[in-house]
Amino acid sequence: QKEVEQNSGPLSVPEGAIASLNCTYSDRGSQSFFWYRQYSGKSPELIMSIYSNGDKEDGRFTAQLNKASQYVSLLIRDSQPSDSATYLCAVNTENNDMRFGAGTRLTVKP
Amino acid sequence: EAQVTQNPRYLITVTGKKLTVTCSQNMNHEYMSWYRQDPGLGLRQIYYSMNVEVTDKGDVPEGYKVSRKEKRNFPLILESPSPNQTSLYFCASSTGGLGGSGETQYFGPGTRLLVL
Repeated sequence: QKEVEQNSGPLSVPEGAIASLNCTYSDRGSQSFFWYRQYSGKSPELIMSIYSNGDKEDGRFTAQLNKASQYVSLLIRDSQPSDSATYLCAVNTENNDMRFGAGTRLTVKP
Repeated sequence: EAQVTQNPRYLITVTGKKLTVTCSQNMNHEYMSWYRQDPGLGLRQIYYSMNVEVTDKGDVPEGYKVSRKEKRNFPLILESPSPNQTSLYFCASSTGGLGGSGETQYFGPGTRLLVL
């Protein structure tokens, strides 16, 4: 079974801190990796995509990918209360189907 | 406004009564997909479509059917719903395949289904 695993949390950080979210995947042939944010009762929205090893930065967000370790992470710098949400890791497998992790619930405390 | 719409947003039905959840996008996207979301299990892909008349099974296709006769529409059909299909369903679309294309997948607002 090809899976994507995340810590369910909840992860709680103080405002202004760095939040670190982690994800591992089992399908070694996966090529595309995504982080989605989902507010309670809302649909997921894409915040980062990454395809090659290394870091990718977009504003306060940095995605990190290590294909050898089958590991992808998301760092949120200067965390804000508005970042409180569930973060979903998603992987596009070599069969071109999308696999999502169960999500990590993040709470940023003022 | 670019969007993915789903109808109905909420539905209560009984076991065995056929139902269809519609999905439509106005962005001329080729790729469309259906997911269900259950507590503790995250989003699981039911079916996806790379283009008109091309559909493929995702992770949990049992008990569902789809069709893609037009580019903009991708309905999800439950021929004989059962209580284990009670879930939150999302339709999504993007401009192309997700293998390195860098395309954003846009999600609809969700359909909450309860099967009694």
